Parts: sequence; structure tokens; C-alpha cells
Amino acid sequence: EVQLVQSGAEVKKPGESLKISCKASGYGFTNYWIGWVRQMPGKGLEWVAIIYPGDSDSRYSPSFQGQVTISADKSINTAYLQWSSLKASDTAMYYCARTRSGHDPKDALDIWGQGTMVTVSS
Amino acid sequence: EIVLTQSPATLSLSPGERATLSCRASQSVSSFLVWYQQKPGQAPRLLIYDASNRATGIPARFSGSGSGTDFTLTISSLEAEDFAVYYCQQRYISPRTFGQGTKVEIK
Repeated sequence: EVQLVQSGAEVKKPGESLKISCKASGYGFTNYWIGWVRQMPGKGLEWVAIIYPGDSDSRYSPSFQGQVTISADKSINTAYLQWSSLKASDTAMYYCARTRSGHDPKDALDIWGQGTMVTVSS
Repeated sequence: EIVLTQSPATLSLSPGERATLSCRASQSVSSFLVWYQQKPGQAPRLLIYDASNRATGIPARFSGSGSGTDFTLTISSLEAEDFAVYYCQQRYISPRTFGQGTKVEIK
């Protein structure tokens, strides 16, 4: 079964760092783009960033460039999203998702993780 | 950045009725328009890709149409499990952008 399993909910203080994870199984991890989507409480979906684990080629939404870092460890089939200094406005649910085909970073997202809730509060 | 505007914001319908959801792009996205469904407390689910192609396992009552700037998602006969929020997303020009969503609620 193809699936993405994300790390658990996090509660952090402003200024702290954080790295959340997304473990893939059931398909060739290095052959598909995998990205992150943010959903702030009660709001819609926003694309954050995407990476191709095969060669670590990554792309960022301009809104998130410089604010987060996407990475992947192909030895353990896991993608990551990290912050060096969290803000209260980073409070949101973050979903990882895989592209439907392997070659196009803009392709539809067909497999989604269950989401990781990040809460940043003093 | 391409802006997607979905209408209506909320659609109140009864089971068995037909639902018609609209998504309008601020500039042409060719046929590179995607639809997702999201239920409360769940991750989004891919319904339609490239305007009219149903994703794997999606029932035939879901259909998509359109090209350029105007797109439609149609649910031919609403079932109980279809009451949810629906998002369109363009994948033509980076960054991919989403519409604000249409909530389909039980009347």
C-alpha cells in the first residue's frame, strides 16, 4: 500500500526550531516529487515547497522561500520540513503529499499524509 | 501568481441533487486544473486532474470540465459522503495555487 506517515503534533515557542517528517512506503521514494502544503486553522490550502528525493532538486513557493527548508533522506524514505525560528503565524496543519507522476513537480498530488499540527505559542 | 476564485462559497443541497462548483482563474491555465475534496479532520483527496480526468478510485458521479480560465466540478447526484469542502488548484504556472474552497453542505 502506498502511504505517507507524518510525525506527530508539535507545540513550540516562538523562536524555537522544528523539523517535521513524512515517511513514505509502498513506492519508489526517489522516483516521485514530494511536497508540503500548509493549512492554517479554518483556512484553505497553500503550497509550501517540493523536493525530488532522487537528486534533492527542490522548489519553494515565493511566500515560503527563506522561511522553511525542505529536505529528504532517501536512505530512510523520509522527507522533512524545517524551521530555524518559528513564529506564531506558523501555527497550522502541514500535509506532505506525493505527485501523481514522477517527472513533473507541478503534477497533481495524489497521495497525502495525515497531517502534522504545529502550534507556536508563548 | 495565478489567482483562483471559487464560487459559490457555500452550496446547500440535499442528497440526490446535482452539485455544480465553479473555479475561475485570473489567467489561462490551459487544462492544468485539479480538484480536491477535503472532509473535516482529514487530508485532502485528489478527485480530478487536468480538468477532466478522474483520479484512481473516484466514482463516476464526479466529473470535471473546462479549459482556459473557467472550470466546473459536477457531482451528478450527491451522496451523504460527498458533503465536504472542494478546492481547485492550478498546476500550469509555478507556484501552484489553490482556490479558497467551496463548502457543500446538507440543506
